Amino acid sequence: GAGVSQSPSNKVTEKGKDVELRCDPISGHTALYWYRQRLGQGLEFLIYFQGNSAPDKSGLPSDRFSAERTGESVSTLTIQRTQQEDSAVYLCASSLGAGSPYEQYFGPGTRLTVT
Amino acid sequence: KQEVTQIPAALSVPEGENLVLNCSFTDSAIYNLQWFRQDPGKGLTSLLLIQSSQREQTSGRLNASLDKSSGRSTLYIAASQPGDSATYLCAVDNAGNMLTFGGGTRLMVKP
Repeated sequence: GAGVSQSPSNKVTEKGKDVELRCDPISGHTALYWYRQRLGQGLEFLIYFQGNSAPDKSGLPSDRFSAERTGESVSTLTIQRTQQEDSAVYLCASSLGAGSPYEQYFGPGTRLTVT
Repeated sequence: KQEVTQIPAALSVPEGENLVLNCSFTDSAIYNLQWFRQDPGKGLTSLLLIQSSQREQTSGRLNASLDKSSGRSTLYIAASQPGDSATYLCAVDNAGNMLTFGGGTRLMVKP
């Protein structure tokens, strides 16, 4: 079946502009996660959605970052007034449920470059 | 706060060798531990998930072990092949809502 998909695959934007990244999880997966990977660094957790519960936003680095999810489907990550330090690969993952024994399945990522 | 460390950071081996990648974590109260591979410019591929109650999981030439009390996991790759060249990431789930990743081991298998 279809895996996690993300769009766009690449995005170049000017400093100060807003960007919106999209994630389509695997159908039936109730949990959805956003991570980012800056060049030469490890993956950092950003935000987590589980069903209709309030999202866990504890990883968002600033109030310029926000995310929404419509039910148990598509999610969008929005970065306002982008800065150069926002340049990274943004990865989305989904899982059937939260925690054990559910594996997280990752999308191919969106490479964001802020010039 | 959970911290995950992977050793070595990079490893180069000739084809056919068996090898072990190491992962350690500071907080043993985990739900599960996952091993992933990441190819350049691509997303992560899940290799194995070990639940906190399990000691090991096997998939083909891969075997992952978990010693929760000592905060360690190993990924054993048997009879390595050039196609195994990638970055291997270890990640732990402490709270059922996020993964904490190690820095990865960059593996090169030379023909």
